[in-house]
Amino acid sequence: GENVEQHPSTLSVQEGDSAVIKCTYSDSASNYFPWYKQELGKRPQLIIDIRSNVGEKKDQRIAVTLNKTAKHFSLHITETQPEDSAVYFCAALDTGRRALTFGSGTRLQVQP
Amino acid sequence: DGGITQSPKYLFRKEGQNVTLSCEQNLNHDAMYWYRQDPGQGLRLIYYSQIVNDFQKGDIAEGYSVSREKKESFPLTVTSAQKNPTAFYLCASSPQIGTMNTEAFFGQGTRLTVV
Repeated sequence: GENVEQHPSTLSVQEGDSAVIKCTYSDSASNYFPWYKQELGKRPQLIIDIRSNVGEKKDQRIAVTLNKTAKHFSLHITETQPEDSAVYFCAALDTGRRALTFGSGTRLQVQP
Repeated sequence: DGGITQSPKYLFRKEGQNVTLSCEQNLNHDAMYWYRQDPGQGLRLIYYSQIVNDFQKGDIAEGYSVSREKKESFPLTVTSAQKNPTAFYLCASSPQIGTMNTEAFFGQGTRLTVV
């Protein structure tokens, strides 16, 4: 099955700085990689996703990059704001189960 | 108002009791999933169902059971065999049968506490 590793577990940045969260996956057939943001006590919400036919995708201040050869993908947040503070999860599609496998999460704290 | 609804939001269970968590969606999604989240950890897959009347075990199925008698409903029962059930339980659904290659929508979660 799929195994997803996520780093770092915590990340503290100053407002306006960039934040980068990295994930690796094991299933070479995986073709779908979403990122979720979870605020305290709430449901995870999709913020961006990427499929294996592209190497990068951007949506305003958020971007995701994918390196299929190395089996890793990253989330980039630019010009961070206090409201970006949350836990971020990467995930990858387990093609055998046809279900998402999640990383362990990164707690991002943006200091005003 | 379309979406995926979990109930109750908070649930307390006594030792040795079975409890059932509800998950209902009106999005006409084929696939549904149950995840468990412990403090400071990621989401672990308990059970999943790609189609009505069929479901599969995930990574941590021991002590749990599910049913999928209707497309819109995927209840999870936490049995007395689950030794450490206190956790946040999240239900999700996805539209595309056979894959989860599209956005997964989550319910608001049920926080289960053993008392």
